[in-house]
Amino acid sequence: DSQLTQSPSFLSASVGDRVTITCRASQVVSPYLAWYQQKPGKAPNLLIYAASTLQSGVPSRFSGSGSGTDFTLTISSLQPEDFATYYCQQLNSLPPKTYTFGQGTKLEIK
Amino acid sequence: EVQVAESGGGLVQPGGSLRLSCVASGFTFTHFWMTWVRQAPGKGLEWVANIDQVASEMYYVDSVKGRFTISRDNAKNSVYLQMNNLRAEDTAVYYCAKVVLGAMDVWGQGTTVTVSS
Repeated sequence: DSQLTQSPSFLSASVGDRVTITCRASQVVSPYLAWYQQKPGKAPNLLIYAASTLQSGVPSRFSGSGSGTDFTLTISSLQPEDFATYYCQQLNSLPPKTYTFGQGTKLEIK
Repeated sequence: EVQVAESGGGLVQPGGSLRLSCVASGFTFTHFWMTWVRQAPGKGLEWVANIDQVASEMYYVDSVKGRFTISRDNAKNSVYLQMNNLRAEDTAVYYCAKVVLGAMDVWGQGTTVTVSS
Protein backbone atom coordinates (compact mmCIF):
# COMPACT_ATOMS: atom_id res chain seq x y z
CA ASP A 1 0.00 0.00 0.00
CA SER A 2 1.13 3.54 -0.71
CA GLN A 3 2.11 5.55 2.34
CA LEU A 4 1.51 9.29 2.60
CA THR A 5 4.00 11.55 4.36
CA GLN A 6 3.03 15.11 5.17
CA SER A 7 5.50 17.88 5.80
CA PRO A 8 5.87 19.66 8.00
CA SER A 9 4.17 17.86 10.91
CA PHE A 10 3.94 21.17 12.80
CA LEU A 11 3.75 24.64 11.37
CA SER A 12 3.70 27.96 13.18
CA ALA A 13 2.41 30.92 11.19
CA SER A 14 0.71 34.28 11.53
CA VAL A 15 -2.60 35.64 10.30
CA GLY A 16 -2.13 36.80 6.73
CA ASP A 17 0.73 34.40 5.97
CA ARG A 18 0.78 32.15 2.93
CA VAL A 19 1.39 28.54 3.95
CA THR A 20 2.00 25.34 2.03
CA ILE A 21 1.67 21.79 3.27
CA THR A 22 3.16 18.95 1.26
CA CYS A 23 1.91 15.38 0.94
CA ARG A 24 4.27 12.86 -0.63
CA ALA A 25 3.20 9.35 -1.61
CA SER A 26 5.53 6.37 -1.56
CA GLN A 27 4.25 5.35 -4.99
CA VAL A 28 2.27 6.98 -7.74
CA VAL A 29 -1.27 7.45 -6.51
CA SER A 30 -4.57 7.78 -8.25
CA PRO A 31 -5.95 11.27 -8.94
CA TYR A 32 -8.14 10.75 -5.85
CA LEU A 33 -6.12 12.85 -3.43
CA ALA A 34 -8.08 14.84 -0.86
CA TRP A 35 -7.33 17.35 1.90
CA TYR A 36 -9.23 17.78 5.18
CA GLN A 37 -9.23 20.29 8.00
CA GLN A 38 -9.97 19.12 11.54
CA LYS A 39 -10.50 21.23 14.63
CA PRO A 40 -10.31 19.79 18.16
CA GLY A 41 -13.32 17.69 19.09
CA LYS A 42 -14.84 17.99 15.63
CA ALA A 43 -15.15 15.74 12.61
CA PRO A 44 -12.85 16.41 9.66
CA ASN A 45 -14.08 18.77 6.96
CA LEU A 46 -13.34 18.14 3.28
CA LEU A 47 -11.44 21.03 1.64
CA ILE A 48 -10.08 19.68 -1.65
CA TYR A 49 -10.81 16.54 -3.67
CA ALA A 50 -9.32 15.10 -6.84
CA ALA A 51 -6.08 16.91 -5.91
CA SER A 52 -7.22 20.38 -6.94
CA THR A 53 -11.02 20.72 -6.85
CA LEU A 54 -12.34 23.00 -4.14
CA GLN A 55 -15.22 21.51 -2.18
CA SER A 56 -18.40 23.56 -2.27
CA GLY A 57 -18.51 26.16 0.49
CA VAL A 58 -14.77 26.13 1.17
CA PRO A 59 -13.13 29.58 0.94
CA SER A 60 -11.09 30.24 -2.19
CA ARG A 61 -7.94 30.96 -0.15
CA PHE A 62 -7.55 27.17 -0.02
CA SER A 63 -6.09 25.50 -3.09
CA GLY A 64 -4.61 22.15 -3.99
CA SER A 65 -2.18 21.02 -6.64
CA GLY A 66 0.05 18.16 -7.65
CA SER A 67 0.05 14.81 -9.35
CA GLY A 68 1.88 11.51 -9.27
CA THR A 69 3.56 11.37 -5.88
CA ASP A 70 3.72 15.02 -4.80
CA PHE A 71 0.78 17.14 -3.74
CA THR A 72 0.39 20.45 -1.94
CA LEU A 73 -2.27 22.32 -0.02
CA THR A 74 -1.85 26.09 -0.01
CA ILE A 75 -3.64 28.65 2.12
CA SER A 76 -3.08 32.00 0.47
CA SER A 77 -3.74 34.26 3.45
CA LEU A 78 -4.23 32.65 6.83
CA GLN A 79 -7.33 33.58 8.78
CA PRO A 80 -7.82 32.99 12.53
CA GLU A 81 -10.27 30.15 11.85
CA ASP A 82 -7.67 28.28 9.76
CA PHE A 83 -5.57 27.19 12.73
CA ALA A 84 -6.29 23.47 12.85
CA THR A 85 -4.84 20.12 11.82
CA TYR A 86 -4.74 19.20 8.14
CA TYR A 87 -4.70 15.71 6.62
CA CYS A 88 -4.16 14.44 3.11
CA GLN A 89 -5.85 11.21 2.02
CA GLN A 90 -5.65 9.03 -1.03
CA LEU A 91 -7.76 6.24 -2.47
CA ASN A 92 -6.24 3.20 -4.07
CA SER A 93 -8.58 3.09 -7.03
CA LEU A 94 -7.80 -0.51 -7.98
CA PRO A 95 -8.85 -3.39 -5.73
CA PRO A 96 -8.35 -3.53 -2.85
CA LYS A 97 -9.92 -0.08 -2.75
CA THR A 98 -8.29 1.07 0.44
CA TYR A 99 -7.68 4.56 1.79
CA THR A 100 -4.62 6.04 3.41
CA PHE A 101 -4.30 9.23 5.44
CA GLY A 102 -1.20 11.28 6.02
CA GLN A 103 -0.08 11.69 9.61
CA GLY A 104 -1.40 15.24 9.81
CA THR A 105 0.01 18.77 9.95
CA LYS A 106 -0.85 20.89 12.97
CA LEU A 107 -1.02 24.57 12.06
CA GLU A 108 -0.54 26.82 15.08
CA ILE A 109 -0.58 30.54 15.65
CA LYS A 110 2.86 32.14 15.90
CA GLU B 1 -29.86 18.73 4.89
CA VAL B 2 -27.28 16.13 3.90
CA GLN B 3 -26.08 14.34 7.01
CA VAL B 4 -25.01 11.10 8.60
CA ALA B 5 -25.29 10.20 12.26
CA GLU B 6 -23.45 7.45 14.11
CA SER B 7 -24.54 5.55 17.20
CA GLY B 8 -23.68 2.42 19.13
CA GLY B 9 -20.40 3.30 20.78
CA GLY B 10 -19.63 2.56 24.39
CA LEU B 11 -17.37 0.85 26.89
CA VAL B 12 -16.58 -2.80 26.19
CA GLN B 13 -14.13 -5.28 27.65
CA PRO B 14 -11.27 -6.69 25.58
CA GLY B 15 -12.56 -9.56 23.48
CA GLY B 16 -16.06 -8.11 23.44
CA SER B 17 -18.26 -6.95 20.58
CA LEU B 18 -20.06 -3.80 19.51
CA ARG B 19 -22.18 -2.87 16.52
CA LEU B 20 -21.99 0.68 15.26
CA SER B 21 -24.77 2.16 13.17
CA CYS B 22 -24.85 5.12 10.82
CA VAL B 23 -28.07 6.57 9.45
CA ALA B 24 -27.95 8.80 6.38
CA SER B 25 -30.40 11.44 5.25
CA GLY B 26 -30.71 14.20 2.68
CA PHE B 27 -29.12 12.31 -0.21
CA THR B 28 -29.75 9.23 -2.35
CA PHE B 29 -28.02 6.67 -0.16
CA THR B 30 -27.93 3.96 -2.84
CA HIS B 31 -25.72 6.10 -5.09
CA PHE B 32 -22.70 6.24 -2.82
CA TRP B 33 -19.95 4.21 -1.25
CA MET B 34 -19.83 4.60 2.52
CA THR B 35 -16.86 4.34 4.83
CA TRP B 36 -15.79 4.17 8.48
CA VAL B 37 -12.80 6.12 9.78
CA ARG B 38 -11.48 6.12 13.33
CA GLN B 39 -9.31 8.37 15.42
CA ALA B 40 -7.58 7.11 18.55
CA PRO B 41 -7.17 9.64 21.39
CA GLY B 42 -4.59 12.25 20.41
CA LYS B 43 -3.81 10.47 17.14
CA GLY B 44 -4.47 10.97 13.45
CA LEU B 45 -7.18 9.63 11.19
CA GLU B 46 -7.23 5.95 10.23
CA TRP B 47 -9.47 4.50 7.55
CA VAL B 48 -11.19 1.32 8.78
CA ALA B 49 -13.56 -0.07 6.12
CA ASN B 50 -15.68 0.83 3.12
CA ILE B 51 -18.58 -0.65 1.21
CA ASP B 52 -19.95 -0.08 -2.26
CA GLN B 53 -23.49 0.87 -3.18
CA VAL B 54 -24.87 -2.69 -3.33
CA ALA B 55 -22.67 -4.36 -0.71
CA SER B 56 -20.75 -6.35 -3.31
CA GLU B 57 -17.36 -4.85 -2.46
CA MET B 58 -16.06 -4.39 1.07
CA TYR B 59 -12.53 -3.53 2.07
CA TYR B 60 -10.76 -3.29 5.42
CA VAL B 61 -7.57 -1.99 6.93
CA ASP B 62 -5.30 -4.94 7.75
CA SER B 63 -5.54 -4.45 11.51
CA VAL B 64 -9.29 -5.21 11.59
CA LYS B 65 -9.56 -7.92 8.93
CA GLY B 66 -11.31 -10.98 10.31
CA ARG B 67 -12.67 -9.04 13.30
CA PHE B 68 -14.78 -6.21 11.81
CA THR B 69 -17.55 -6.49 9.24
CA ILE B 70 -19.07 -3.59 7.34
CA SER B 71 -22.59 -3.92 5.97
CA ARG B 72 -25.44 -1.74 4.76
CA ASP B 73 -29.23 -1.78 4.57
CA ASN B 74 -30.31 0.44 1.70
CA ALA B 75 -33.94 0.20 2.76
CA LYS B 76 -33.01 1.86 6.04
CA ASN B 77 -30.37 4.25 4.62
CA SER B 78 -27.95 2.72 7.09
CA VAL B 79 -24.43 1.37 7.24
CA TYR B 80 -23.08 -0.72 10.07
CA LEU B 81 -19.78 -1.80 11.55
CA GLN B 82 -19.84 -5.05 13.50
CA MET B 83 -16.76 -5.16 15.69
CA ASN B 84 -15.77 -8.45 17.32
CA ASN B 85 -12.82 -9.51 19.44
CA LEU B 86 -12.14 -5.90 20.35
CA ARG B 87 -8.71 -4.86 21.54
CA ALA B 88 -7.45 -1.90 23.54
CA GLU B 89 -5.97 -0.46 20.35
CA ASP B 90 -9.46 -0.25 18.83
CA THR B 91 -10.28 2.51 21.31
CA ALA B 92 -11.18 5.54 19.19
CA VAL B 93 -13.84 7.87 17.93
CA TYR B 94 -15.46 6.15 14.96
CA TYR B 95 -16.77 8.29 12.13
CA CYS B 96 -19.09 7.31 9.31
CA ALA B 97 -18.68 9.20 6.04
CA LYS B 98 -20.19 9.42 2.59
CA VAL B 99 -17.75 8.99 -0.27
CA VAL B 100 -17.68 10.83 -3.57
CA LEU B 101 -14.84 10.80 -6.09
CA GLY B 102 -12.55 9.12 -3.58
CA ALA B 103 -13.13 11.74 -0.89
CA MET B 104 -15.25 11.78 2.25
CA ASP B 105 -17.54 14.74 1.87
CA VAL B 106 -20.09 14.22 4.63
CA TRP B 107 -19.07 13.11 8.12
CA GLY B 108 -21.02 12.34 11.23
CA GLN B 109 -20.21 13.64 14.69
CA GLY B 110 -18.57 10.36 15.64
CA THR B 111 -19.26 7.72 18.26
CA THR B 112 -16.73 6.78 20.94
CA VAL B 113 -15.59 3.21 21.48
CA THR B 114 -13.56 2.44 24.58
CA VAL B 115 -12.07 -1.02 25.03
CA SER B 116 -10.96 -1.51 28.59
CA SER B 117 -11.32 -3.92 31.48
